[in-house]
Formats: sequence, structure tokens, C-alpha cells
Amino acid sequence: GENVEQHPSTLSVQEGDSAVIKCTYSDSASNYFPWYKQELGKRPQLIIDIRSNVGEKKDQRIAVTLNKTAKHFSLHITETQPEDSAVYFCAATYSGGGADGLTFGKGTHLIIQP
Amino acid sequence: NAGVTQTPKFRILKIGQSMTLQCTQDMNHNYMYWYRQDPGMGLKLIYYSVGAGITDKGEVPNGYNVSRSTTEDFPLRLELAAPSQTSVYFCASSPVPGSGNTIYFGEGSWLTVV
Repeated sequence: GENVEQHPSTLSVQEGDSAVIKCTYSDSASNYFPWYKQELGKRPQLIIDIRSNVGEKKDQRIAVTLNKTAKHFSLHITETQPEDSAVYFCAATYSGGGADGLTFGKGTHLIIQP
Repeated sequence: NAGVTQTPKFRILKIGQSMTLQCTQDMNHNYMYWYRQDPGMGLKLIYYSVGAGITDKGEVPNGYNVSRSTTEDFPLRLELAAPSQTSVYFCASSPVPGSGNTIYFGEGSWLTVV
């Protein structure tokens, strides 16, 4: 099955700086890579996703890049703000095959220092 | 639409007791999932279903059972609760897995086994 590794487990950045979270996956058949944000005591919520036919996708201050050859993808947050503090999860899955949903990384606790 | 609704939100169980976590979705999604999230960890798939009458095991199914009699409902049953089942449980649903069809999570159920 798929295996997703996520780094770092904790990331502390100054407000206004950029943050980068990296993930690798093992199954070359995976073709969909979402990122979820989970605030304390809340449910995971999708913030951005990318499909395997795209190398980069942006949405305001967040962007995701995908390198299919190396089997890794990254989340980039620019101009970080206090409300960006949360746990971020990457995930991977593929369509057209098994229906067993997403395989998640273990999460990155992002701390924005004022 | 209410989305994915889980009950109860909080529950304390004694070792050996049984209970059912209820989950219902009103988005007419075929696919439904149960994940557990241990403190500081990612989400692990317990069971999933691709449609009414069809269920399958995920990564960590031991100690749990599910049923899917309707498209809307996907209850998770814990038999003979153990302290290792102390966790946060998330029900989720999606139209189809992968390729841009994201998974929508319920608000979570906090379960403590003492």
C-alpha cells in the first residue's frame, strides 16, 4: 500500500516569514495529493490539492508543488500569519483503483511566532 | 446541507463495554470512511465503504465493526472496549476517491476508555 512520510514534525517560523512542509510518497500510481489543516480540537479541512498532471498550484498565500519523478510534494505558505498556526497533513491516493481513501502523513505542527 | 454528522462528540467508556458511533451524511456520497487519530499522530483508516451493503477493512480494523445499510449512514461499533481504543474518531465521505474529489470530515468523536 501507499506510505506517506512528512517532515518536519514541528516547524516554528516568525510571523511574515515563509513556511515549507515536505512529503514523500511510495506508490507511483498515486495521482491526487491534498493538504489538510487541522486546528486544535477541530476536524481536518482541505486547504489545497494537486493532481499528478500538474506541477504547481497556487491559492493566495499557499502553494503546492509536485515532483512525480522524485515522488515528493510540498506545501508553501508565504507571509505567515498567526491564524496559520495549526497542524498540517499531507495525503496521497489514486483513483480508478482501490477505494480505500487517503493515506495521510503524520502531520506538521506549524507555530507562528509573533 | 449539514455535511457529515457524527454523534456522540464525547464519550467515556469502561473497559469491556461496547458502543456505536453514529455517522450520517446528506451529500449523497457513495464512499464513506472511519479514521482514528491518536494524540500527535496522523489519521489511520479503520473501515471504509464504497456503497450501501459493501464494507471493507482499512489499516487498523481490529476491535471494530461497521455496517452500511443505507447510503447516508455508516455506524462504527466498538466491541469490548480497550484503553488502546482511546482516540478521536472521524467519519468522512467522498463522491469517489482521488482525482480531485476530496474527503469531507465530520467534527470528530472523542472517546476515552478507562
